[in-house]
Amino acid sequence: EAGVTQFPSHSVIEKGQTVTLRCDPISGHDNLYWYRRVMGKEIKFLLHFVKESKQDESGMPNNRFLAERTGGTYSTLKVQPAELEDSGVYFCASSQDGPMSSYNEQFFGPGTRLTVL
Amino acid sequence: AQSVSQHNHHVILSEAASLELGCNYSYGGTVNLFWYVQYPGQHLQLLLKYFSGDPLVKGIKGFEAEFIKSKFSFNLRKPSVQWSDTAEYFCAVNAMPASGTYKYIFGTGTRLKVLA
Repeated sequence: EAGVTQFPSHSVIEKGQTVTLRCDPISGHDNLYWYRRVMGKEIKFLLHFVKESKQDESGMPNNRFLAERTGGTYSTLKVQPAELEDSGVYFCASSQDGPMSSYNEQFFGPGTRLTVL
Repeated sequence: AQSVSQHNHHVILSEAASLELGCNYSYGGTVNLFWYVQYPGQHLQLLLKYFSGDPLVKGIKGFEAEFIKSKFSFNLRKPSVQWSDTAEYFCAVNAMPASGTYKYIFGTGTRLKVLA
């Protein structure tokens, strides 16, 4: 069974440009999560989809970040315009059970390392 | 504030030394606990997890962790580390903060370097 995949693995852009990150969850997982790790800090929750609906976007830093999951399959996270502080590793995860269950086990992708110059 | 604390940010050990990485959390109620590892250039992998039952949990590659509810701790241990254990280790707690839904809360990670 394929795991969670993310594309690209690395992205280097200049301040003010736009970048779109993609995540493909494990097939059959309705729940999809985005996280971000800024260098040296903890991995922080950004948002959660159930199928195509945003269930919780309390972790999104500001309105320069837009996440979508059209059709309830893969998801994209767009940063527009990118700022220096957006640099970090963006992780995607998916799960079968949702966050109303304490038994929710999430499976993580390899991450996308974003560098904004 | 509710959080997950990993007290050791960098650990350097020689091969065959014993390892213990601390993890403390401050959430009440039902929690599930995880340790993840990220080897250089690879993605986050699950080492072990605790949901319920025996508080001493065995994971992959000889790792284990003990859940001590009274201390809000879930420390990771390995009796004898190998050079290949060089990686970054993350403690995570699936807990229910004020939002009313369970969330994964991560610690800041511990970088382990094992000297051959």
